[in-house]
Amino acid sequence: DADVTQTPRNRITKTGKRIMLECSQTKGHDRMYWYRQDPGLGLRLIYYSFDVKDINKGEISDGYSVSRQAQAKFSLSLESAIPNQTALYFCATSDLDRGGYNEQFFGPGTRLTVL
Amino acid sequence: AQSVTQLGSHVSVSEGALVLLRCNYSSSVPPYLFWYVQYPNQGLQLLLKYTTGATLVKGINGFEAEFKKSETSFHLTKPSAHMSDAAEYFCAVLGEYGNKLVFGAGTILRVKS
Repeated sequence: DADVTQTPRNRITKTGKRIMLECSQTKGHDRMYWYRQDPGLGLRLIYYSFDVKDINKGEISDGYSVSRQAQAKFSLSLESAIPNQTALYFCATSDLDRGGYNEQFFGPGTRLTVL
Repeated sequence: AQSVTQLGSHVSVSEGALVLLRCNYSSSVPPYLFWYVQYPNQGLQLLLKYTTGATLVKGINGFEAEFKKSETSFHLTKPSAHMSDAAEYFCAVLGEYGNKLVFGAGTILRVKS
């Protein structure tokens, strides 16, 4: 079974709809992240969480919110979807810093299309 | 603040030829550097990482990268390309406070038969 799973894998929605993307992990990691990928822009960080009580904004958090329901679950919500939120969304996890680096493990991605 | 520049959004090589994907970084602290690969319709997979120590780092699938502080570079190479290497490759640097990765825009590698 995959260590980091994302649901749904694909979603088409309409402008103004609320949508939630879910991420679950079985790696036992404390840290979780949400990124979006756009062609030619690489991955940009939306939100990250170091534990259940710690949520932090990334570089492009406007229009998004998150919920860390448990150590293993981290959800991303679009309260009112707009077309420029059409992108590929990735969840990632990592362990506490050990040796000063932070290897992240990625889920398979959710392709979101907002019409 | 940390940043990454990947030179060339698309690189095309023939099967068996040398692969060279370029990455330059900017960092206010000693950098930790990473290369990730993304195969079609899949998530990102770590190829290799540089933290400290030896500047030539070997990764999976025959890839390696060399950290050159004087050139602020971390180029990815493979002596002989294989068709299965066709993918998108991302260079990343660890953020200043060690809590997040900053990614480059990515380079799509095409391997011609």
